[in-house]
Amino acid sequence: QSALTQPASVSGSPGQSITISCTGTSSDVGGYNYVSWYQQHPGKAPKLLIYGVTNRPSGVSNRFSGSKSVNTASLTISGLQAEDEADYYCDSYTSSNTRVFGGGTKLTVL
Amino acid sequence: EVQLVESGGGLVQPGGSLRLSCAASGFTFSSYSMNWVRQAPGKGLEWVSYISSSGRSIYYADSVKGRFTISRDSAENSLYLQMNSLSDEDTAVYYCARDLYGAYGCDHWGQGILVSVSS
Repeated sequence: QSALTQPASVSGSPGQSITISCTGTSSDVGGYNYVSWYQQHPGKAPKLLIYGVTNRPSGVSNRFSGSKSVNTASLTISGLQAEDEADYYCDSYTSSNTRVFGGGTKLTVL
Repeated sequence: EVQLVESGGGLVQPGGSLRLSCAASGFTFSSYSMNWVRQAPGKGLEWVSYISSSGRSIYYADSVKGRFTISRDSAENSLYLQMNSLSDEDTAVYYCARDLYGAYGCDHWGQGILVSVSS
């Protein structure tokens, strides 16, 4: 159960768009449309942003969008805002009926 | 309002045991799959265990298999995690998290409870 691979950090200026990648294998990300994305602010519980690769739960801004190509899923945040500064994690269902998270990406809004 | 409240954490010696509880309210607990997810200090999220809504399907991360046991009591609207043979690598904030109805993805999380394993 190796963690999914995410960049350690990304940054962008307010109003810009950024994309965070999440790379796995055909046994997890590539094998199922069960990738989720979470946002976590310091000292807080994670918040679900995206599930099923592209779906947004009710109440989540449409500035957040998800996609997938082969074994890599991506989270795009458009119109960056200061409050988007946080840690972001991807998560995938696996062929072992388990789940695996990515290592996390720290987003800095410049 | 959906609420998940963990309890039972604390300081335990290596080799010891601890039982975490998660009290659920604001939704039909018996209809939802549940998970335990942990986060070591300054580290990322790690999925620990899953239990289906019926309790018939249970899965564990390799790192805890054979040492941790997940269970649920729908009459008490509670989720549990029995943790045995604890080591310092188990030190983390433990979250209980509800899966979306009929889908994978944790849409509600507790506030987390700290488990510290140290002599």
